[in-house]
Amino acid sequence: KQEVTQIPAALSVPEGENLVLNCSFTDSAIYNLQWFRQDPGKGLTSLLLIQSSQREQTSGRLNASLDKSSGRSTLYIAASQPGDSATYLCAVSSGGYQKVTFGTGTKLQVIP
Amino acid sequence: GAVVSQHPSRVICKSGTSVKIECRSLDFQATTMFWYRQFPKQSLMLMATSNEGSKATYEQGVEKDKFLINHASLTLSTLTVTSAHPEDSSFYICSARDTENYGYTFGSGTRLTVV
Repeated sequence: KQEVTQIPAALSVPEGENLVLNCSFTDSAIYNLQWFRQDPGKGLTSLLLIQSSQREQTSGRLNASLDKSSGRSTLYIAASQPGDSATYLCAVSSGGYQKVTFGTGTKLQVIP
Repeated sequence: GAVVSQHPSRVICKSGTSVKIECRSLDFQATTMFWYRQFPKQSLMLMATSNEGSKATYEQGVEKDKFLINHASLTLSTLTVTSAHPEDSSFYICSARDTENYGYTFGSGTRLTVV
């Protein structure tokens, strides 16, 4: 059974700081890994999708890396802004039906 | 990009009534859709996998007679919470897989409150 863990559970940083969010998974036989953002009471917004054959993906100030062999992914956010405040979830697709398992989330607060 | 529309966004109902939530893929066909439930301050838990034209596959512990799923077309899946009780109050989110890049697109979620 796939298990996905995110560290830290919560993070508070001053505006402008670069930061790294971590995601680890137990079963390395994955199809892909996706990072999402969730604002309070809202649905999920997809940030980055990394296929199992890829090592990283970049979008603007965001960079996600994937190391399948060690079961890890990181989300790097450069020059953080207050608008980046949200909960960040990583989700791993694996197994039958390419079932998605979500991490526990990291709640980020960027202080102006 | 792929868009999934979910309605309603918020619903309040009385105990004992049924509530239907719709999930539509707007610009792509989704043979498989997924339904999740999220409790406060917790991550998303998969409830069931909805397959077009066949029965849904429910996760362990999810009552299939209580959470009825219908996936009658390639663009629409519905979740009906039957005989709702206050403990069914939660945030429900659907998703579909984009067959181009195999990423998942999520609906905006439905906040269900049973009073």
